[in-house]
Amino acid sequence: DGGITQSPKYLFRKEGQNVTLSCEQNLNHDAMYWYRQDPGQGLRLIYYSQIVNDFQKGDIAEGYSVSREKKESFPLTVTSAQKNPTAFYLCASSNWGDYGYTFGSGTRLTVV
Amino acid sequence: GQQLNQSPQSMFIQEGEDVSMNCTSSSIFNTWLWYKQDPGEGPVLLIALYKAGELTSNGRLTAQFGITRKDSFLNISASIPSDVGIYFCAGQPPAGTASKLTFGTGTRLQVTL
Repeated sequence: DGGITQSPKYLFRKEGQNVTLSCEQNLNHDAMYWYRQDPGQGLRLIYYSQIVNDFQKGDIAEGYSVSREKKESFPLTVTSAQKNPTAFYLCASSNWGDYGYTFGSGTRLTVV
Repeated sequence: GQQLNQSPQSMFIQEGEDVSMNCTSSSIFNTWLWYKQDPGEGPVLLIALYKAGELTSNGRLTAQFGITRKDSFLNISASIPSDVGIYFCAGQPPAGTASKLTFGTGTRLQVTL
């Protein structure tokens, strides 16, 4: 079955370390997105990519970086410059002409 | 970035009760979507609305696309414990454009037995 996979589900890191969250989709979707969700909060867009080798900053891109070398993959790196990285991270994908996004099951990142 | 205004922010209801929530925007959208997020999971699409005035049902869920194209409503009838979660609305510009979804702030639903 087609879908979008985020790994790992839970991630613990020490403060000051960079960490990379994986997002893979086999839906042949063109666009991919990263969102951050804090407890009791809505979804805030970090980065998005509409085609391979191209991506744009969202509303809260500072302290994050991404790459889009393959259509099916859109990894997110949380750098040490991100002041408050502990959060739930959601990846999503969509296709031009389709309605809505398909979301992954999320990665909960805890920085200690 | 813009977020759509969703209300109420949270609801505590008893099993069997009906639920209503709404979403408003300052912008016009061509499509309205409603998602549900179970605790610790990603949002899942419940209902999509494509035309102003449209009323669409999916089981116990009914959603409406407002006539002004600036709002949408979601109703859940006879709530059950598995309805617990966060409900998000989302507005989408015309399909095929390079525009992104705009999400609501979410309505957190708690159902007590």
